[in-house]
Order: sequence, then C-alpha cells, then structure tokens
Amino acid sequence: DGGITQSPKYLFRKEGQNVTLSCEQNLNHDAMYWYRQDPGQGLRLIYYSQIVNDFQKGDIAEGYSVSREKKESFPLTVTSAQKNPTAFYLCASSIKGGTEAFFGQGTRLTVV
Amino acid sequence: GESVGLHLPTLSVQEGDNSIINCAYSNSASDYFIWYKQESGKGPQFIIDIRSNMDKRQGQRVTVLLNKTVKHLSLQIAATQPGDSAVYFCAENPSSGAGSYQLTFGKGTKLSVIP
Repeated sequence: DGGITQSPKYLFRKEGQNVTLSCEQNLNHDAMYWYRQDPGQGLRLIYYSQIVNDFQKGDIAEGYSVSREKKESFPLTVTSAQKNPTAFYLCASSIKGGTEAFFGQGTRLTVV
Repeated sequence: GESVGLHLPTLSVQEGDNSIINCAYSNSASDYFIWYKQESGKGPQFIIDIRSNMDKRQGQRVTVLLNKTVKHLSLQIAATQPGDSAVYFCAENPSSGAGSYQLTFGKGTKLSVIP
C-alpha cells in the first residue's frame, strides 16, 4: 500500500539531547514537509523539501534540522537548541507542483 | 499578515443533522483550498478541495462552498454521524503552481456529534 510512515509514534527524550524523527513515503512524491502541532493549535511549518538534496526553512525552523538524501526519506532532528520541543510532529508529502498534502500519523515527542 | 482562520472553535451537532464549518481567509491570491479532518492522535486526512475558479464542489456527504467576494470557505457535512467527530482544518495555498509548496492552516474547529 502506498503511504507515508512516521516512526516512532511516541518518543521521550531527556532535556539537552538531540532526537531524530523518521518519515518515509512510497508515493513517489517530490515534495515533503514537517509540521509541528501544539494542543488546540493549527499546523506550523518547520521545514520543507521540493527535491532531493534541497530543503527550505519554514516558519519555525530554529532548533530543528533536516536532510533529504533520498526521495523517500525526510528525517527531522530536534536539537537541544529547540527550547520547547514537546509537541506532535507531522510529516507530509505532495507531488511536485501539486498541493494536496498526504500526512503521516504523527510522532508525539515528550521532553522529560 | 495573511492568515487562515475559523469563526467557530467548537461545534456540537445532533446525529443526523447537517453540520456547517466555516473558515475565513485573508490572502486574496490564494487559489486552492483544502479541508482536512483530524481525529485525536492521528494525522490530518484529506476530505475535499476546491480551486478558486469554482464556487462549489461536492463529495460523498460533504460539500465545500467558496465565496471569493467575502473570502469565506465552508464545509457542509450532511447527516452527521458519530464518526464525523474530529477537528476540521481548512488550508490554503497562495499559488497552486510550481512555485509554492506551502499550505497555511487555520487553527481548526472541533466537531462533536451528539448521539
């Protein structure tokens, strides 16, 4: 089945540690995105990538980093520089030039 | 700045009634709009979309209406069912061409269906 997969579903991290969230898609989409969602809030764009080996900052990129070495994969690293990392993280993809984004099931990150 | 927002943060409807969820947008350049449904703890799921050259589009039990004059978007759900309980987001893209890949999301409306 085609789709977009995020792992893990739940993640706990100690303050001061970096952590990487996985996102894989087999939809053959060129564009991929990372969003952050806080309780009762909408989605805020962290980073997006239109093509392999290229990515751009979104609205709240500080404290995050990404890579796009393969078309299928767009991992997000939450660094220790992110001051408030506890949130629900959503990865999405869309076809090049298209706008309908398909979302993964999310990773809930909790900093303890 | 440009933004997408919702008039009602919560909506409670009786099972079987019709639901109407509203969304206001302020970017007059937006030409593509999407409604998403998000169930608790899950990712948003595409419901229906509409381009700015249309006023209305229908899906299965859902209808999206676009009023460009007042920059208003609505989602109508017919015969609302308990499974429709979720948070509904509208999203806009300022340009549906190759230049823009960003969707701007509203904060969402929580729909609760009363059995």
